[in-house]
Amino acid sequence: ETGVTQSPTHLIKTRGQQVTLRCSSQSGHNTVSWYQQALGQGPQFIFQYYREEENGRGNFPPRFSGLQFPNYSSELNVNALELDDSALYLCASRVGAQGASNEQFFGPGTRLTVL
Amino acid sequence: LAKTTQPISMDSYEGQEVNITCSHNNIATNDYITWYQQFPSQGPRFIIQGYKTKVTNEVASLFIPADRKSSTLSLPRVSLSDTAVYYCLVGDMIGYSSASKIIFGSGTRLSIRP
Repeated sequence: ETGVTQSPTHLIKTRGQQVTLRCSSQSGHNTVSWYQQALGQGPQFIFQYYREEENGRGNFPPRFSGLQFPNYSSELNVNALELDDSALYLCASRVGAQGASNEQFFGPGTRLTVL
Repeated sequence: LAKTTQPISMDSYEGQEVNITCSHNNIATNDYITWYQQFPSQGPRFIIQGYKTKVTNEVASLFIPADRKSSTLSLPRVSLSDTAVYYCLVGDMIGYSSASKIIFGSGTRLSIRP
């Protein structure tokens, strides 16, 4: 069974640029969530995708957007990067269905640095 | 959404039992309590989940009193490798409605000494 994978591992961008981060969910998982984790803080929920539709969003501006594909992999796009966007971006997958566990499986994250 | 309060840090020694308590006064009827462990530069890892009373698995126990306003994660006989940040989360992700989301707090930084 393949776990959650994310790419790239590290990324350096400059302020104002755009970035796309990618996530492959664990086999059989149809729900993907994205989190932003600043240094020394807990992960902050960005949004969740279930069957290719966004069905939950945290307090992040519209320049944070995402996609989920038919194979349940996902992308996180961030436009007009700001210095405060520097963080570890985590992707988590799970089975989204009634009776499923709250257990999420996290990937190793993408470390984004904005200069 | 229910917020959680945990101690910022805890220290213990190898072989000891460690109990980390989390307060969640505004827990909702449908909310579950979930604990995650996170090592530096890694994603969080699920430890245990519960709704009420006591839950035990191969790595930990979770104690939840009747009023569910707090919970205690118990790690038996800790080792150096248990040094990590532990997060208590309260929420309901079983339903896939738009209201389903999980809030991580700042976590408890557990340090285990030889």
